[in-house]
Amino acid sequence: QKEVEQDPGPLSVPEGAIVSLNCTYSNSAFQYFMWYRQYSRKGPELLMYTYSSGNKEDGRFTAQVDKSSKYISLFIRDSQPSDSATYLCAMCVASGGSYIPTFGRGTSLIVHP
Amino acid sequence: EAGVTQSPTHLIKTRGQQATLRCSPISGHTSVYWYQQALGLGLQFLLWYDEGEERNRGNFPPRFSGRQFPNYSSELNVNALELEDSALYLCASSLSQDQQETQYFGPGTRLLVL
Repeated sequence: QKEVEQDPGPLSVPEGAIVSLNCTYSNSAFQYFMWYRQYSRKGPELLMYTYSSGNKEDGRFTAQVDKSSKYISLFIRDSQPSDSATYLCAMCVASGGSYIPTFGRGTSLIVHP
Repeated sequence: EAGVTQSPTHLIKTRGQQATLRCSPISGHTSVYWYQQALGLGLQFLLWYDEGEERNRGNFPPRFSGRQFPNYSSELNVNALELEDSALYLCASSLSQDQQETQYFGPGTRLLVL
């Protein structure tokens, strides 16, 4: 079992839909949770990061962490065609020394007009 | 503020050759990370440099190496190239070794090995 599991998709939705992207993980020591957006042939762009459990909102994006279920989600409200990209989740422990994030394989999202 | 920059954008090599990839972090960032993103696979961690020192390396053979210069820019060297080294190589930087969770990525160098 991989440490971080993410459905590769593609997930296809109409413009204006609410999108839910998810990751599960197995390492209960993970405390930082990040979401990156990667457009085709570009580097990943950090969208949001949260520490520990709970929700965090930024504009149309909401990140949710459920540590008891080892499950994280990214919700996109009022999705736009410009949101079409691959979304990568990443997570790491929060301790001194080396704590390089572990990335999911990414979910491809297509928002069609 | 300029982001992370990488050069070249594309690189074509033949099997057995050496490749050198370069990265300039965001101004003020001291930590530089290298990742390999092969088709169909996630980001695989290669190397981490901070303050000129190699702090950690991923599960890659020794022919993947690099260094960090006094201005915090970094170089990734891949020796004895193999076909399966074809991938997008991404560099990221963070403000310090204490902020590994917030990494900012460059556009990548796409390496093709023929």
